[in-house]
Amino acid sequence: AQSVAQPEDQVKVAEGNPLTVKCTYSVSGNPYLFWYVQYPNRGLQFLLKYITGDNLVKGSYGFEAEFNKSQTSFHLKKPSALVSDSALYFCAVRDLNRGYNKLIFGAGTRLAVHP
Amino acid sequence: KAGVTQTPRYLIKTRGQQVTLSCSPISGHRSVSWYQQTPGQGLQFLFEYFSETQRNKGNFPGRFSGRQFSNSRSEMNVSTLELGDSALYLCASSPAGGSLGSYNEQFFGPGTRLTVL
Repeated sequence: AQSVAQPEDQVKVAEGNPLTVKCTYSVSGNPYLFWYVQYPNRGLQFLLKYITGDNLVKGSYGFEAEFNKSQTSFHLKKPSALVSDSALYFCAVRDLNRGYNKLIFGAGTRLAVHP
Repeated sequence: KAGVTQTPRYLIKTRGQQVTLSCSPISGHRSVSWYQQTPGQGLQFLFEYFSETQRNKGNFPGRFSGRQFSNSRSEMNVSTLELGDSALYLCASSPAGGSLGSYNEQFFGPGTRLTVL
């Protein structure tokens, strides 16, 4: 079965410090990987995706993610965190068994950036 | 371009009632997917529609149904509501059909918060 895991329920960082939100995946075949962010009372906003190509993917709001096939990981990173980055972050993988547009999400990681 | 819109934003129902939620995708998008978000189960896929056809369905009981209209707008219906149906229901649209050779990211609406009493 295809799945993603976000091993940390919460990540706390100080403003200005680098942040990492972890994600590992399990798929049969080449993965399509995504990061979304959710602010309170809002839907999900797309941050970035990995389909193929460079292992380092750059996305919105200064975020980037590194695809590591040997470690089956797709960690989200940002060089310098902002208080406004505090939100719920979801890693997702496309369901390759059924194709089309179904996404399988991780449980989410709550990022707290303190001043 | 206007984003994905969902109506209503908040809804309160009682057990046994039924409810209909509406989603208007981004103009030009033909794929609409629905997800349920709860604190306990997280984000779970309900179903996807493309060109008025349901082509993918998650593991939800038959009380959950949906449809898509010719203008790509979609509705989902939950009949005989249970307390456990309380959740944030998210709609997402995508321009493409999502064949295995290509993929376009999905754009999510703000959701409809359903509370079942």
